[in-house]
Amino acid sequence: GAVVSQHPSRVICKSGTSVKIECRSLDFQATTMFWYRQFPKKSLMLMATSNEGSKATYEQGVEKDKFLINHASLTLSTLTVTSAHPEDSSFYICSARGKAGGLAGALGEQFFGPGTRLTVL
Amino acid sequence: AQSVAQPEDQVNVAEGNPLTVKCTYSVSGNPYLFWYVQYPNRGLQFLLKYITGDNLVKGSYGFEAEFNKSQTSFHLKKPSALVSDSALYFCAVREWGGKLIFGQGTELSVKP
Repeated sequence: GAVVSQHPSRVICKSGTSVKIECRSLDFQATTMFWYRQFPKKSLMLMATSNEGSKATYEQGVEKDKFLINHASLTLSTLTVTSAHPEDSSFYICSARGKAGGLAGALGEQFFGPGTRLTVL
Repeated sequence: AQSVAQPEDQVNVAEGNPLTVKCTYSVSGNPYLFWYVQYPNRGLQFLLKYITGDNLVKGSYGFEAEFNKSQTSFHLKKPSALVSDSALYFCAVREWGGKLIFGQGTELSVKP
């Protein structure tokens, strides 16, 4: 199946610093990428949807100035947590969806990255 | 709005016994339903999906799910559980536009 990678897998930073997380589709072109946040043993909360070359669409309650999303190419999206604070500590997961058919799956299925554990001290 | 519910936070099963993880849905129109599994500190792995066709859907690792329109359910099943099946399981419905709406998750624990 299609493969999505995330980097880094784990990051620890000091309060007030910014952290960038990369999400890459390795073997297909991702027309859409999704960013989720997950608290321990809890469901995934969709933060935003990004389409290549356009601004991200944020879910209600998600601060777009704090969680900057860039989808500059068909294989890369980045999430930058600006001025991170301890309450931003979480597991961040991206997913990618390509065009329907081919390696990206029927009906443009979503393929998930392995996640990034962010800890803000 | 589309939604799915997983009524059980945790399911405990003895190894070798059948397992069921429950999911009910609320959608307008035809549902696109999915099951995913998550191991600790990992992303989600796709297990199976229902789009249309046979109500019994077979997926990865010996899992299957039964789509029941009258009961608006899409329960995940496996005839014989393995200790390695212990993980967090999510049911999801796909909205128009491609967004996935996830259930609360069910933690499956399989004991030897």
